[in-house]
Amino acid sequence: KQEVTQIPAALSVPEGENLVLNCSFTDSAIYNLQWFRQDPGKGLTSLLLIQSSQREQTSGRLNASLDKSSGRSTLYIAASQPGDSATYLCAVQADRGSTLGRLYFGRGTQLTVWP
Amino acid sequence: NAGVTQTPKFQVLKTGQSMTLQCAQDMNHEYMSWYRQDPGMGLRLIHYSVGAGITDQGEVPNGYNVSRSTTEDFPLRLLSAAPSQTSVYFCASTTNLYNTGANVLTFGAGSRLTVL
Repeated sequence: KQEVTQIPAALSVPEGENLVLNCSFTDSAIYNLQWFRQDPGKGLTSLLLIQSSQREQTSGRLNASLDKSSGRSTLYIAASQPGDSATYLCAVQADRGSTLGRLYFGRGTQLTVWP
Repeated sequence: NAGVTQTPKFQVLKTGQSMTLQCAQDMNHEYMSWYRQDPGMGLRLIHYSVGAGITDQGEVPNGYNVSRSTTEDFPLRLLSAAPSQTSVYFCASTTNLYNTGANVLTFGAGSRLTVL
């Protein structure tokens, strides 16, 4: 069964720092990997999606990389702002077998950026 | 506004009661799914549907039923609520799981359920 792990579980930093959030997965047979943001009491918002054939995706101050063979992804946040405070979740989409298409989520990294 | 609408946002039930969580999307998405989110557990898939009339089980289907009579609606039924079903429930949809660039899930705002 696919297992997705996110490190660290929580992170608190001052405004302006560059951050790296880590995601690892145990089965490299994935269709894609997605990073989501979740604000307290809200649903999830997709930030970046990386197809299995891609190495990275960028959106504004966010950059996500994927190393499928080693089962790792990182989310890089440049020049962090208080508005970036949220929980960030990583999810991989299964590529084969009875779990075809299913998303497996990590438990998230809770980020706090203080002024 | 286009998107995924979940009702109710909050619900308190007694053990043994039944209820239905509603989910509706107006984006003509084929794929719809239900997740539950528990502290320290991440999101886990309960049931999903790849189109009207087709449903299948996810990781944690026990105690829940679903149906998909229309493209727009995907209700989740709790037949006999148990305290272990206390959780936040999210509905999500997408056009097609394998449509490159368009298989990003759109999530509803969530339904917080407490079973006493």
